[in-house]
Amino acid sequence: DGGITQSPKYLFRKEGQNVTLSCEQNLNHDAMYWYRQDPGQGLRLIYYSQIVNDFQKGDIAEGYSVSREKKESFPLTVTSAQKNPTAFYLCASSVAGTYSSYEQYFGPGTRLTVT
Amino acid sequence: AQSVAQPEDQVNVAEGNPLTVKCTYSVSGNPYLFWYVQYPNRGLQFLLKYITGDNLVKGSYGFEAEFNKSQTSFHLKKPSALVSDSALYFCAVRDNLVTGANNLFFGTGTRLTVIP
Repeated sequence: DGGITQSPKYLFRKEGQNVTLSCEQNLNHDAMYWYRQDPGQGLRLIYYSQIVNDFQKGDIAEGYSVSREKKESFPLTVTSAQKNPTAFYLCASSVAGTYSSYEQYFGPGTRLTVT
Repeated sequence: AQSVAQPEDQVNVAEGNPLTVKCTYSVSGNPYLFWYVQYPNRGLQFLLKYITGDNLVKGSYGFEAEFNKSQTSFHLKKPSALVSDSALYFCAVRDNLVTGANNLFFGTGTRLTVIP
């Protein structure tokens, strides 16, 4: 899982509550990413950030929000507007750069269950 | 449209036999291709990547992948499977329409089971 930590590993929330998932990296990477994984659907990109204080929506950003105030940290908030929040959430980071082809390094994931 | 397809949800192979996990892709521009492995309730681990050069790429844990431009494929292979290779495997291709970050499109994954 490299130098990326995600906490907590398991998270339980009641419907209607916002919840924030932590992601920290010590790889000195500029780019960070959040994915959602559901069975049979692979990984879907929620948000990504190429640099501090900048982030972009991915394919399924609705109901989620992020911040990137520090290079090392990229927290994800799952809001009450997310209709199906129960999933496995993965954070990743990589070297950034135009026309580059660097692999992403993944954290261990957070399994969120909302009831 | 840029995408990755993994046509097999499940692959079963006997221990010691060669294994192949299939992947085809569609991308704008040059293909940058990746394979990752995921063990239960864990993050993804990088196995190997193709950027340019030799069509046969060698990676971690004895895995290799063959890039075939005419067939737009990037199949993962291993000459002799181990029970410990049982896991979920993802193929990915870089999104060439995004500059700066290294956004990836992932396939839906192939579950490999190696039978003792």
